[in-house]
Amino acid sequence: EPEVTQTPSHQVTQMGQEVILRCVPISNHLYFYWYRQILGQKVEFLVSFYNNEISEKSEIFDDQFSVERPDGSNFTLKIRSTKLEDSAMYFCASNIAPDSDSNQPQHFGDGTRLSIL
Amino acid sequence: DQQVKQNSPSLSVQEGRISILNCDYTNSMFDYFLWYKKYPAEGPTFLISISSIKDKNEDGRFTVFLNKSAKHLSLHIVPSQPGDSAVYFCAATPGGATNKLIFGTGTLLAVQP
Repeated sequence: EPEVTQTPSHQVTQMGQEVILRCVPISNHLYFYWYRQILGQKVEFLVSFYNNEISEKSEIFDDQFSVERPDGSNFTLKIRSTKLEDSAMYFCASNIAPDSDSNQPQHFGDGTRLSIL
Repeated sequence: DQQVKQNSPSLSVQEGRISILNCDYTNSMFDYFLWYKKYPAEGPTFLISISSIKDKNEDGRFTVFLNKSAKHLSLHIVPSQPGDSAVYFCAATPGGATNKLIFGTGTLLAVQP
């Protein structure tokens, strides 16, 4: 069964450094998402991406964050200058169509654990 | 943000019995609800969903019930198996122009052999 893949599985970075988290969504999916889960907290929406542009972002997704689809397969999340509070699991997800249409759920990768020192 | 709530952090059930996981929501604009299962060190895996125009959806051992007037949904697993032991997340989406999922805090289900 096709799956969303994320690399690396664990990233350790010094505070203030830039980090790029990578995702390969399922090949025929058109909508892409990033979520994060801080330890002990809920999974939170960060951003959605469709047709090479951001379709929605949360208030968490400030100017330090950016997303890109640099080629036909990868979808990346960049944090420009990391802070201690960016430490979390970051999940990438994708689906063919929005969840409310044609019953297409989002499929998640296994996540990247980001640790900021 | 408490729009989706799972008030039971954990649940323990004997193998073969029914597991009932509950979820409450506050936003009447939600039009699609989903349940995800999550094992440690893995991402959430989609289980079952329900549209707001329905009150029940069944898929094998899993049934989701939606009570819109009470803003409550539940996931029933019958019969429960040890492999069902995981964290279960309820999620909802407002639909319309937004596709984002709003998650509950999760319920850890332990199915005892």
